[in-house]
Amino acid sequence: EDQVTQSPEALRLQEGESSSLNCSYTVSGLRGLFWYRQDPGKGPEFLFTLYSAGEEKEKERLKATLTKKESFLHITAPKPEDSATYLCAVQAGNQGGKLIFGQGTELSVKP
Amino acid sequence: EAGVTQSPTHLIKTRGQQATLRCSPISGHTSVYWYQQALGLGLQFLLWYDEGEERNRGNFPPRFSGRQFPNYSSELNVNALELEDSALYLCASSLEGRGTEAFFGQGTRLTVV
Repeated sequence: EDQVTQSPEALRLQEGESSSLNCSYTVSGLRGLFWYRQDPGKGPEFLFTLYSAGEEKEKERLKATLTKKESFLHITAPKPEDSATYLCAVQAGNQGGKLIFGQGTELSVKP
Repeated sequence: EAGVTQSPTHLIKTRGQQATLRCSPISGHTSVYWYQQALGLGLQFLLWYDEGEERNRGNFPPRFSGRQFPNYSSELNVNALELEDSALYLCASSLEGRGTEAFFGQGTRLTVV
């Protein structure tokens, strides 16, 4: 069964304290792995798409990487405005456009 | 460029009633997806429409249904509402179904009382 597991469930950081969020997946034929950011009561905001192992994408303080079994979202020198829930999702080759989401990591960055 | 728009923002219904939720995709996007985000359960896939056809369906009962119109907008209908249907319903759109990123709307908060 296709599955996505994110860890940790919650992460508290001090402003400037870098860290990483993990997304482990098992899927039949990965078509793409997607990272989203979600603020409370809002829809997810697209961040990155990764398609193959070894691929990396960067945007401001965020960097996403992909291996054959997991993806990492590295946050460098985070700011309070980076506080949000970060969601990882995969698209499997035999599931069409369906995204399978993990439960998310709730990030809190304190000044 | 306008993003994905959903209406209404909030909807309160009584158990047993029907709810209709609407979604307008990003211009040029032909695929529309519906997801349910109930408290503590994460995003669960409901339906995928592309070019007016239902392409995939999640593990939800038949009282969850929808359609896609010729202008690619979409409607989600939930019949015989139950208390556990209370959730944030999210619509997303993409250029095509496979391998491309989906962009989400702000959601419709459905409360069943």
